[in-house]
Amino acid sequence: DAKTTQPNSMESNEEEPVHLPCNHSTISGTDYIHWYRQLPSQGPEYVIHGLTSNVNNRMASLAIAEDRKSSTLILHRATLRDAAVYYCILRGAGGTSYGKLTFGQGTILTVHP
Amino acid sequence: DGGITQSPKYLFRKEGQNVTLSCEQNLNHDAMYWYRQDPGQGLRLIYYSQIVNDFQKGDIAEGYSVSREKKESFPLTVTSAQKNPTAFYLCASSNRQASTDTQYFGPGTRLTVL
Repeated sequence: DAKTTQPNSMESNEEEPVHLPCNHSTISGTDYIHWYRQLPSQGPEYVIHGLTSNVNNRMASLAIAEDRKSSTLILHRATLRDAAVYYCILRGAGGTSYGKLTFGQGTILTVHP
Repeated sequence: DGGITQSPKYLFRKEGQNVTLSCEQNLNHDAMYWYRQDPGQGLRLIYYSQIVNDFQKGDIAEGYSVSREKKESFPLTVTSAQKNPTAFYLCASSNRQASTDTQYFGPGTRLTVL
């Protein structure tokens, strides 16, 4: 399975934008890039996903490099409720890997008031 | 409300006992998944099921068993063969017919083996 690399931790101040990077140099052409986040003692929550083009939703934006070897999750205005572990995951799109998510250790985001 | 329920939230068992964790979803999803999470680590896939009466081993299936007799239910049994069963267990489901195939997670069961 293609793997992702994320920084162990990042910090931000409330109301400021946050850019969470992810490297996935061995991504295959059919892999989707998914982002999930997990608050303490809770199950992960879907944030956003994309394939090639940049994506926006009510929670965040996803910027995908042209060569697809890296991506950045953008939280436009961080709040204290955004403090969580953020996982960048490649989702297989076919065969036996279809639907499987491989979680790494993620990035722990701390938001300061 | 639609969603995934896991029960109980906390579970304590003696070493050597089998224990079954419940997972129910009313989202009408075809696929269901079980993950294990250890402190400070990411999630690891135990078993997954893409359709009723069918399931596949994930990355760490040894010492676990599952069944999928109904679409809405995917119970996980932690057997006495699992060497380190104490962990946070998460169940998820997804609609494999949708292009996004987003996984929706339950609140988790924290199992402690004494």
